[in-house]
Amino acid sequence: AQTVTQSQPEMSVQEAETVTLSCTYDTSESDYYLFWYKQPPSRQMILVIRQEAYKQQNATENRFSVNFQKAAKSFSLKISDSQLGDAAMYFCALNGAGNMLTFGGGTRLMVKP
Amino acid sequence: DTAVSQTPKYLVTQMGNDKSIKCEQNLGHDTMYWYKQDSKKFLKIMFSYNNKELIINETVPNRFSPKSPDKAHLNLHINSLELGDSAVYFCASSQDPGGTSVSTDTQYFGPGTRLTVL
Repeated sequence: AQTVTQSQPEMSVQEAETVTLSCTYDTSESDYYLFWYKQPPSRQMILVIRQEAYKQQNATENRFSVNFQKAAKSFSLKISDSQLGDAAMYFCALNGAGNMLTFGGGTRLMVKP
Repeated sequence: DTAVSQTPKYLVTQMGNDKSIKCEQNLGHDTMYWYKQDSKKFLKIMFSYNNKELIINETVPNRFSPKSPDKAHLNLHINSLELGDSAVYFCASSQDPGGTSVSTDTQYFGPGTRLTVL
């Protein structure tokens, strides 16, 4: 069975600063994909970034980047130049057979003006 | 245009009733999914479905059943509703035809349906 763990239930960051959200996972698959989804108060699930496990290069999307450590089974999300609109729940997810996602418990990010 | 839509957005009903939640995607995707998000925000897969294969999470009670009239729709039927069924239900879709292998495709989510069972 796959597991995804987010050890930080809540994080806060000052506007314009950088924050890192942690995620660890476990899977028996040799090839898999990892995702970070954002859920604002509107509850819409929005894809932030994805990483293919076979790629050594860390994915980046504008202010969002990941630190993917395959051997350690770690997949953290770094948000640079934090903005008020970044405040949301962030979910780490791992896909498995049937492309069904296993989610972590989420991290609530607060951004202070 | 909305890519993945769900109706209704809110559903309040009594214990023991039978209800359905509808999902439609206009992305031309092959596979659709249902997820449940409980009161602690924990998200869990319920079903993965394409026109060839239904994969059911073994923890889902058989009171829950997906129904797909066509490739663009996957509705969720719930019989004999219980208090513990109260949650937000998300529909999602992806391009990949799915199946038992690991897929490459990103899933796109609908806005969610908040179900409250009284």
